[in-house]
Amino acid sequence: AQSVTQLGSHVSVSEGALVLLRCNYSSSVPPYLFWYVQYPNQGLQLLLKYTTGATLVKGINGFEAEFKKSETSFHLTKPSAHMSDAAEYFCAVSDVRGYSTLTFGKGTMLLVSP
Amino acid sequence: DADVTQTPRNRITKTGKRIMLECSQTKGHDRMYWYRQDPGLGLRLIYYSFDVKDINKGEISDGYSVSRQAQAKFSLSLESAIPNQTALYFCATSDGLAGGTDTQYFGPGTRLTVL
Repeated sequence: AQSVTQLGSHVSVSEGALVLLRCNYSSSVPPYLFWYVQYPNQGLQLLLKYTTGATLVKGINGFEAEFKKSETSFHLTKPSAHMSDAAEYFCAVSDVRGYSTLTFGKGTMLLVSP
Repeated sequence: DADVTQTPRNRITKTGKRIMLECSQTKGHDRMYWYRQDPGLGLRLIYYSFDVKDINKGEISDGYSVSRQAQAKFSLSLESAIPNQTALYFCATSDGLAGGTDTQYFGPGTRLTVL
C-alpha cells in the first residue's frame, strides 16, 4: 500500500521568505507524485506533478518540487512567499497501475505574515 | 460557469435522515470521484467511477452509496446519516487518458453537518 506523510500541519513564514513544505512517500513501485493547493472555501487545484523524467518539477505560481528517490521525498518550495500563497497544501501519490486514484497526505497549512 | 459543480453547498441534517449530494461536470471526463475532508486527516476516497457502468469502493465506503446516472453526474448518498459523517465532501473528475498521472479537477465542496 502507498502512503504519504507531510511533516508539519502548519508552517509559518514571513512574506518574501523561502517556503518549504515537506512530503515523504511510501510506495512499492516508482510513484507518481502530486501537490495540490486548497485556497479558503475552495476545492483543490493542481500545483504540479511528477510522472517520469526530470526530477525537478515546476508548477504554477512559482512553486517547484524535487523528486528524490533515495530520500523518498517530494518537497515543495518557493523562493519568496507572497501573502496570496496562504492556503492548505496537500501532497498525494497515485496508484501507478493506472487507476488514477490518489492517496493524500493530511495537509500542511501555510501561513504568511506581512 | 464552473466545470465541476456540487449541490447543495451547505446542508444541515439530523441523525437518521437520508441525504443525497450531487455532482455534475461539463468537462466531458469519464472518471469521477467522491472524497471527504476532515480537519487534520486530509482527503479520503469514498467511491470512484471510471465510466457509467463502473463503480468502485474507496478507502472509507461504509455508510455511503453512489449512483452514476450519466457520464456527467455522480451522486453520493448517506442512507442514514450519523454525526461522524459531518465533513466537507468533494467531487472530482479526471479524463483517464494518462493513467495514474491524471490531473483531478475538484468541485467547490459540500459542507455537511449531521446533528
